[in-house]
Amino acid sequence: ETGVTQSPTHLIKTRGQQVTLRCSSQSGHNTVSWYQQALGQGPQFIFQYYREEENGRGNFPPRFSGLQFPNYSSELNVNALELDDSALYLCASRRTPREAQHFGDGTRLSIL
Amino acid sequence: QQQVKQSPQSLIVQKGGISIINCAYENTAFDYFPWYQQFPGKGPALLIAIRPDVSEKKEGRFTISFNKSAKQFSLHIMDSQPGDSATYFCAASIETSGSRLTFGEGTQLTVNP
Repeated sequence: ETGVTQSPTHLIKTRGQQVTLRCSSQSGHNTVSWYQQALGQGPQFIFQYYREEENGRGNFPPRFSGLQFPNYSSELNVNALELDDSALYLCASRRTPREAQHFGDGTRLSIL
Repeated sequence: QQQVKQSPQSLIVQKGGISIINCAYENTAFDYFPWYQQFPGKGPALLIAIRPDVSEKKEGRFTISFNKSAKQFSLHIMDSQPGDSATYFCAASIETSGSRLTFGEGTQLTVNP
């Protein structure tokens, strides 16, 4: 049990819609990262938040955005959904930069 | 740009055998190398990790071997069990730059009884 909870577990959307995915981390986990995992591939880094500010971003367009809240929860927002956005979205958190990242079980997003 | 290359893509091993998965990286700034295990429907779970100041790290049946000059590292699973059947990912990060993980493509391990 990693203490990282993601919701919902599954979601179906259509092209052009917007989606919000949620993550709840353990108390004290100040750093949260989001990853996209396409089927059969390794996770790809989307962005990272530290104390409610974005402090690192991967090769993803601005329609991927996030928020981190003081209660150690966070959100991933994706606008103008495209078919290629279909993937497992993973949230990972940790207390300090030297600690390992602990992943949630992800949200499976399907775009029709 | 694929910065961490993992092989093989799939691996079948008999119970009690040794499973070996290899990874190679390009960015010499990487200074943290974890291995993750992922079961279907679950998120990746950390197995074992190594930093480049040591060449080998062992935890139970799992061993990481690290070759800094060759920019390669590998996972050895001794006495492989059917319960080890999962997808394994190597990863790398630069701890001083926020620790974003760069993952390999994954190896699907099947351990036959």
